Amino acid sequence: AQTVTQSQPEMSVQEAETVTLSCTYDTSESDYYLFWYKQPPSRQMILVIRQEAYKQQNATENRFSVNFQKAAKSFSLKISDSQLGDAAMYFCAYTGNMLTFGGGTRLMVKP
Amino acid sequence: DVKVTQSSRYLVKRTGEKVFLECVQDMDHENMFWYRQDPGLGLRLIYFSYDVKMKEKGDIPEGYSVSREKKERFSLILESASTNQTSMYLCASSFRTAQSTDTQYFGPGTRLTVL
Repeated sequence: AQTVTQSQPEMSVQEAETVTLSCTYDTSESDYYLFWYKQPPSRQMILVIRQEAYKQQNATENRFSVNFQKAAKSFSLKISDSQLGDAAMYFCAYTGNMLTFGGGTRLMVKP
Repeated sequence: DVKVTQSSRYLVKRTGEKVFLECVQDMDHENMFWYRQDPGLGLRLIYFSYDVKMKEKGDIPEGYSVSREKKERFSLILESASTNQTSMYLCASSFRTAQSTDTQYFGPGTRLTVL
């Protein structure tokens, strides 16, 4: 069974600074996808960024980028120029046949 | 915009009651999912459906059942609610692919409290 681990239950960042959220996963598959989802206090979960395992290039979406290390099974999310609206729970997720979520990291943004 | 709606944001039920949670999506997605979300545990899959009248068990199906009579609607049923089913329940939908690689779109969640 696949597992996804987010080792940081909570993190905080000063507005306009950069923060990195960690995620590791365990799998024996070679073809899979990785996601970061964001869940603001209003609770509607939305996709932040997605990475295909066969692509070596790290995915980027505006201020959000990932550092995908396939051999290390690591998939961290970097948020640049943090904004107050980035405050949320962030979930890392892995999908082979089904989506498996990590336990989440609560990000607080200080003004 | 994809829209996934859930019938209630907050629900309070008593132990032993039968509980229905409804989810509707408007994007003609084949796949629909029910998760429960608990602090520190992330989201855990209860059941999913890849077509009308089709269902598959997820990681924690015990105490739950589901119904998918129409493509746009996926219901989660707690036959006899228990206090350990107090949780946030999230519905999601996606297009069907060979693997579950498509983005899932989530509803706003239902906070269920069982007294």
